[in-house]
Amino acid sequence: DAKTTQPNSMESNEEEPVHLPCNHSTISGTDYIHWYRQLPSQGPEYVIHGLTSNVNNRMASLAIAEDRKSSTLILHRATLRDAAVYYCILRGPLNTNAGKSTFGDGTTLTVKP
Amino acid sequence: GAGVSQSPRYKVAKRGQDVALRCDPISGHVSLFWYQQALGQGPEFLTYFQNEAQLDKSGLPSDRFFAERPEGSVSTLKIQRTQQEDSAVYLCASSLPVAGGQFFGPGTRLTVL
Repeated sequence: DAKTTQPNSMESNEEEPVHLPCNHSTISGTDYIHWYRQLPSQGPEYVIHGLTSNVNNRMASLAIAEDRKSSTLILHRATLRDAAVYYCILRGPLNTNAGKSTFGDGTTLTVKP
Repeated sequence: GAGVSQSPRYKVAKRGQDVALRCDPISGHVSLFWYQQALGQGPEFLTYFQNEAQLDKSGLPSDRFFAERPEGSVSTLKIQRTQQEDSAVYLCASSLPVAGGQFFGPGTRLTVL
């Protein structure tokens, strides 16, 4: 399984941008990069995903390196509600047997007021 | 419903008892996943389905664990002869086919005494 590496923890100040890095040097050509976040006592929440191009949605932006061996989740203005564990995972196409998702321990983001 | 639902939300079982955990995915979502999450750790993949086909069950920890999705909608995760190490939160997620993000339910917290 292709694995991802993330820092254990990061801190940010409220209303400042946050860049959460993820390394995935063994990514295969058909792997999608997904990001999820999890608040205490809740199930993970989908944030964003991409394949090759950078992606934007209402929650965040995803910047993917040209060689696809790393990516960065960007929260443009952190709020206290963004404090969570953020997971970066790789996943193959779901209509194959490559759809397994391997979550690591993620990055615990602390947002300071 | 609007999201993924799971039942029961909490289950206490005596060691050796069989349990069945239910997942109702988002209507129209073809893919369905089961994860196990121990306290303080990321979700661990158990199995996933594309419609009624179980495409990957490599994460099921033993033959005491069995998952089914007979009509391609509702899924049941069954654990036979529960052990204390089975105590965890069991998460279900559903997704549109191929590349979509996974939408998680609230989880079932299983405690085995």
